[in-house]
Amino acid sequence: GDSVTQMEGPVTLSEEAFLTINCTYTATGYPSLFWYVQYPGEGLQLLLKATKADDKGSNKGFEATYRKETTSFHLEKGSVQVSDSAVYFCALGHVGSTLTFGKGTMLLVSP
Amino acid sequence: NAGVTQTPKFQVLKTGQSMTLQCAQDMNHEYMSWYRQDPGMGLRLIHYSVGAGITDQGEVPNGYNVSRSTTEDFPLRLLSAAPSQTSVYFCASTAGTGTYEQYFGPGTRLTVT
Repeated sequence: GDSVTQMEGPVTLSEEAFLTINCTYTATGYPSLFWYVQYPGEGLQLLLKATKADDKGSNKGFEATYRKETTSFHLEKGSVQVSDSAVYFCALGHVGSTLTFGKGTMLLVSP
Repeated sequence: NAGVTQTPKFQVLKTGQSMTLQCAQDMNHEYMSWYRQDPGMGLRLIHYSVGAGITDQGEVPNGYNVSRSTTEDFPLRLLSAAPSQTSVYFCASTAGTGTYEQYFGPGTRLTVT
């Protein structure tokens, strides 16, 4: 079945550091790929998405490119802020409108 | 728009008790889902619905029932709670399949003792 693997955390960075969170997937067909973010005590919010190979999703300084050849969708940000501290989930979307999630990666940014 | 709402926010049950987690959305979305979130496990799909009167099982459906009598509401029922059902439960809705954003509720934190 479909699955998503993302790097384990926590990832601990200083403010203004470069961020990469790795995500790879296994799927039949060509799913859409998503990054969701969960701030403490809240539900999940969509951060960005890509719907086909070579698409780049971007939002709030975060970017991820849908790489079919490496089945990857790595999340990057050039300069993180303390306010980016959260749990980040990589997910793939199915035709039936549901999502398969990775286990989540906690990001901690210190001043 | 309230988006996706869930009640209660917190609940403690004893083993064997039953309860219903409520979920409602006001965006006229056809598709709704229930997920549970456990430490180190990410979110796992319990049940989902593609429209009023239509439901289907997800990855971890055992011990849970759902029904979808209206577009707006998608309650999740625990018939006989077990400690293994201690988790945070999220309801989500979306306007379409595949590429559409899922909107999540704030979650219900359930503890079964």
